[in-house]
Amino acid sequence: EIVLTQSPGTLSLSPGERATLSCRASHSVRSTYLAWYQQKPGQAPRLLIYGATRRATGIPDRFNGSGSGTDFTLTISRLEPEDFAVYSCQQYGGGPLTFGGGTKVEIK
Amino acid sequence: EVQLVESGGGLVKPGGSLRLSCTAFGFTFSSYSMNWVRQAPGKGLEWVSSISGSSTYTDYADSVKGRFSISRDNAKNSLYLQMNSLRAEDTAVFYCARSAYFYCTNGVCFSESFDYWGQGALVTVSS
Repeated sequence: EIVLTQSPGTLSLSPGERATLSCRASHSVRSTYLAWYQQKPGQAPRLLIYGATRRATGIPDRFNGSGSGTDFTLTISRLEPEDFAVYSCQQYGGGPLTFGGGTKVEIK
Repeated sequence: EVQLVESGGGLVKPGGSLRLSCTAFGFTFSSYSMNWVRQAPGKGLEWVSSISGSSTYTDYADSVKGRFSISRDNAKNSLYLQMNSLRAEDTAVFYCARSAYFYCTNGVCFSESFDYWGQGALVTVSS
């Protein structure tokens, strides 16, 4: 099973700032089958990025995914008020599907 | 518009059973694989189970294997999760989610990411 470790646990930033979230895998993720989800309190997760770099339908271009192998990054170029939420990564490249523990992006 | 609606959550005693349902709207249900993901209070997401469009393939997390059973009825656009021998640690919000594919070969299963999710059903296991 691939274990995903997200860092930091919490990121305190102001609107307009850049957010950089990390997701590290215990083993290489096959063919960059890595996704990022956004979740707000009381809501279901929403797919942001799949295939490590591809934005899902309707996702603004301020959200960017990068990385391969064991190291992946989600970057939010300029935080909007609606971006403050919890972000989770997921690998789906074979074997048990696993999620990271999440990074909370909060207003500073 | 794609919509997934879970039902069947509730309070159940340890050792009891519960059946969750997820009804799909706005897409050709049989053409998609479906999944269950849960989230314990204040915790992260945990994949529970997946099923292919024609029910050929299924898979389970080790934490629920032998206790939970996933199934679907394409004529009713519905996904199910039968949960038996429930434990306190199964307490969570259970989400159903759609994926473009899910299949297994040589004992390993492969999936696509989850592009639509339901709003979730709360399952509480407590005496």
